[in-house]
Amino acid sequence: AQSVAQPEDQVNVAEGNPLTVKCTYSVSGNPYLFWYVQYPNRGLQFLLKYITGDNLVKGSYGFEAEFNKSQTSFHLKKPSALVSDSALYFCAVRDEYGGATNKLIFGTGTLLAVQP
Amino acid sequence: DAMVIQNPRYQVTQFGKPVTLSCSQTLNHNVMYWYQQKSSQAPKLLFHYYDKDFNNEADTPDNFQSRRPNTSFCFLDIRSPGLGDAAMYLCATSRERQGVSYEQYFGPGTRLTVT
Repeated sequence: AQSVAQPEDQVNVAEGNPLTVKCTYSVSGNPYLFWYVQYPNRGLQFLLKYITGDNLVKGSYGFEAEFNKSQTSFHLKKPSALVSDSALYFCAVRDEYGGATNKLIFGTGTLLAVQP
Repeated sequence: DAMVIQNPRYQVTQFGKPVTLSCSQTLNHNVMYWYQQKSSQAPKLLFHYYDKDFNNEADTPDNFQSRRPNTSFCFLDIRSPGLGDAAMYLCATSRERQGVSYEQYFGPGTRLTVT
């Protein structure tokens, strides 16, 4: 069965330190992977995606993610966290059985808290 | 700026009183989605339109309906809201071609309260 796992409900990091938000996936074919961020009472904002190509994907606001096929992971990273990065982060994978539409399967979300 | 707009941002309705939520987009995307999101959980897909074709998720209650009168607009109708329908409702759009994956663009959401 297809799935996305975000093993940490919350990640705490001090401002200026590097951050990692973990995501692992399970699909039978080649994964299409996405990261979204959600601020309180807002919709989701697209950060980055991996479809094919370079395993290191760069996205918005200084975020990047590394696709690791052997570990079936797609961890989100940032070299230096900002307090304003505090938000809810969702990893998602394209539903392989969604037909022509690219429906997403979301992880449960990870709350990132950056302390000043 | 091209965007996804949802109105209203906050909606209060009474138990059992029909309510309609609105979504419009200026992106000219051919696919529009409606999600339900409860208290910081993952968004749950209710249904989507691929062009004019309506696609319901298997576990979406009959209480939820949708209309897409044209490319730009999509509505979510809740025929008889229950207390359990209180949630954030998110509209999203994407430009899809088979075999090519594009990200979804989300609106700011409508927070529905049922009294």
